[in-house]
Order: sequence, then structure tokens, then C-alpha cells
Amino acid sequence: DAGITQSPRHKVTETGTPVTLRCHQTENHRYMYWYRQDPGHGLRLIHYSYGVKDTDKGEVSDGYSVSRSKTEDFLLTLESATSSQTSVYFCAIKRGESTDTQYFGPGTRLTVL
Amino acid sequence: DQQVKQNSPSLSVQEGRISILNCDYTNSMFDYFLWYKKYPAEGPTFLISISSIKDKNEDGRFTVFLNKSAKHLSLHIVPSQPGDSAVYFCAASGIQGAQKLVFGQGTRLTINP
Repeated sequence: DAGITQSPRHKVTETGTPVTLRCHQTENHRYMYWYRQDPGHGLRLIHYSYGVKDTDKGEVSDGYSVSRSKTEDFLLTLESATSSQTSVYFCAIKRGESTDTQYFGPGTRLTVL
Repeated sequence: DQQVKQNSPSLSVQEGRISILNCDYTNSMFDYFLWYKKYPAEGPTFLISISSIKDKNEDGRFTVFLNKSAKHLSLHIVPSQPGDSAVYFCAASGIQGAQKLVFGQGTRLTINP
């Protein structure tokens, strides 16, 4: 158990509305990640963070923003949701600089109508 | 450009037999490889990893083989059990010190009784 929770676990929203997903960790790790999982694409990195207020883009960052004001929370925001952002979103943490292994949260299923 | 590829979307194996899942990569700068297992409605869980300085790593029923010259890795599960039915993702890391993983598309393994 990596001590990661995601909220909400399920959300249905309409095109054009803003959506924020939350990832919370209990272990104070520096590195946190947001992925989306889609059939045929595996897991694709959206954004990641290497510390409070330190974030960087992943391979599919368009249409997404992130914020990390506290070590334990990493927020993913869809400013204006589109149907192409219907997906399952996973948060992950990495336990330090010297390891590459990431540990994942339970996921949020987002549907944009 | 898919740097990590799992060319078999699905695999069906008889219970008790060996399951072999394959993964290819294109970037020779990758130096660490991981396998994750994912059940429906759950986050991916770390299964086993291998560093590029090794060609084999074993953990119980799971063995990962790395062929650097062919840029190919495989996960062997023996004997296969019904609980092994899941989606398996391979991932790679290590390029230029980036603290990120690149995932393949996943292979759905079904173990038949």
C-alpha cells in the first residue's frame, strides 16, 4: 500500500466545465505523477512534480494543468473538459531519487459528455 | 513515436502452463525496466524490475529476461494461475536522468482453467 488516495473515484461531467482531480499521499514523497490510461495507449504521462510548486509537462499535457502547494497533494485540472479527456486517471509516487519504481493510486474514472 | 511497444494486445494461456509476455523498446538509453500488473478498477501494481546490467531477474513464479542487443524484454510466469489474469504493462526509464517512466500499451493475459 503506497498510501495514495484519489478523489473523486468516479465523475461524470459535461463538455466545457472545469474539473479538478485530487491525489493525496501520506508518505511525503517528493515525486508525484499524473497519468491517463486509454485502450491501445497504455499509461501516458500528463504532468509530474518534483517538489512543492515544481512541476513539468509530460507527453500529453495539452488541456491539463497541475498544482502542488503542499507535499501531500497534487491536483490535476481540466480547465474546460472535452470528450477526448474521457479516461481513467492515475496518480503515482516515487520513493526517492535513487529508485525508478512508481506506485499508483486506485484511479479516477472521468466521463465527459 | 512509441518508444516502448507491447505488440500483443492479448494472450490466452492454459492454467499451469508458462505465460510469456513480450516488450520491445527503441531507445538504447533506457537502463531500467519494470513490469506492472493491473486488475480492473484498480491501479497498476509493481511486479518485477531489471537493470540493464543484468539479463535476468527472478521473483518466485515471475522472471524477467532482458536482451539488450535486441532491445527486447520478456516476462515469464510459471506456472500460470487464474489470479494472473490481468493487464500487464512494461515500462522503461533512465534517459538523461529523467525521473519518468515510459509505458507500453499493455497486454491482457487470460488464464484458462
